[in-house]
Amino acid sequence: DIQMTQSPSSLSASVGDRVTITCRASHSISNYLNWYQQKPGKAPKLLIYGASTLQRGVPSRFSGSGSGTDFTLTIGSLQPEDFSTYFCQQSSTAPYTFGQGTKLEI
Amino acid sequence: EVRLVESGGGLVQPGRSLRLSCTGSGFTFDDFAMHWVRQAPGKGPEWVSGISWNSDTIGYADSVKGRFTISRDNAKNSLYLQMSSLRPEDTALYSCVKAKIVVVKNSPLEDWGQGTLVTVSS
Repeated sequence: DIQMTQSPSSLSASVGDRVTITCRASHSISNYLNWYQQKPGKAPKLLIYGASTLQRGVPSRFSGSGSGTDFTLTIGSLQPEDFSTYFCQQSSTAPYTFGQGTKLEI
Repeated sequence: EVRLVESGGGLVQPGRSLRLSCTGSGFTFDDFAMHWVRQAPGKGPEWVSGISWNSDTIGYADSVKGRFTISRDNAKNSLYLQMSSLRPEDTALYSCVKAKIVVVKNSPLEDWGQGTLVTVSS
């Protein structure tokens, strides 16, 4: 199975900050990497797919990059509603594993 | 608006079976692959199983392979998960998820249901 490792596991930041979350795959997954945001008690929401394509309706302050084994999610200027947990997921090879999550806190 | 409604969860004893259902609306059901993803309390999501638009391609997580069976009925806009030999570690919220494309591989998980809770305990 492909292991997905996110870092950091938690992150403290302030409104207006620029933050970056990284995700590393144990094997190359090309660009089949997706990012999700999850708020407490809610289902995950797709933010970015194909490593860098913004899902429709997602603000442009979110961006993704990377290929192969190393990927990043960047939030350009944090807004209050961005304080959530973020997960990466590879959709290259079954089982389609998730990272352990990054909790973004104020 | 895409809507996915799961049902069939509940409390079940270890070793017993349970069948989950999901009904989709607001989209053309047979234009998309579908998945089941579970989330144990306080944990991250775990992909369980996926099925292509025409049921040609099916995949399972190692943890459920041989015990769970995914299926779909496009005429009824429905997705199913037959779970047998349930274990306490299968306790989780099970969500029905619509993929972004027709195939299972390389398909982002675009729309999620609110889930149905399965608790495996004696």
